[in-house]
Amino acid sequence: EDQVTQSPEALRLQEGESSSLNCSYTVSGLRGLFWYRQDPGKGPEFLFTLYSAGEEKEKERLKATLTKKESFLHITAPKPEDSATYLCAVQASGSGYALNFGKGTSLLVTP
Amino acid sequence: NAGVMQNPRHLVRRRGQEARLRCSPMKGHSHVYWYRQLPEEGLKFMVYLQKENIIDESGMPKERFSAEFPKEGPSILRIQQVVRGDSAAYFCASSANTGYNEQFFGPGTRLTVL
Repeated sequence: EDQVTQSPEALRLQEGESSSLNCSYTVSGLRGLFWYRQDPGKGPEFLFTLYSAGEEKEKERLKATLTKKESFLHITAPKPEDSATYLCAVQASGSGYALNFGKGTSLLVTP
Repeated sequence: NAGVMQNPRHLVRRRGQEARLRCSPMKGHSHVYWYRQLPEEGLKFMVYLQKENIIDESGMPKERFSAEFPKEGPSILRIQQVVRGDSAAYFCASSANTGYNEQFFGPGTRLTVL
């Protein structure tokens, strides 16, 4: 059965303190790995798609990387406005087009 | 450039009533997905539709839940005879072409069953 596990569940950072969020996955065959950001009371906002091991993508202070077993979302010099829940999802080749989400990492960045 | 639209944003129903949730995909998108987010749980896939077709309903509860995406108009997720356990946030997402593409989410409908 496909599984997605995110860690840590919650993370508190000082402004400017860089860190990484982890997404470990087990799938029969990976079509794609997706990162989303979700603010309270809102829908997930698309950030990145990664398709193959070794791939990296960047957007402002965020950088996503992918290996055969896990993905990392690196946050460089975060700001308070980066506070949100970050969701990882996988799309498996044997499971149609559904996204299988992890439970997310709740990030709080304090000034 | 409007994103995915969902209405209502909040819906309150009493046990036994029907709930109808609507979703209009992004302009140019013809693929719609519905997900449910229960308190303290992750997003769970329910159903994937294209115009007039249900492609994958593997995540839909077998009873009381149905979905459609007619030729004209929004996609509708219908829950009959709601129970308290149906209280959740329901999100719709859309994509441009095949399911390979990124899915863009709407703001969700928060259903509360009294």
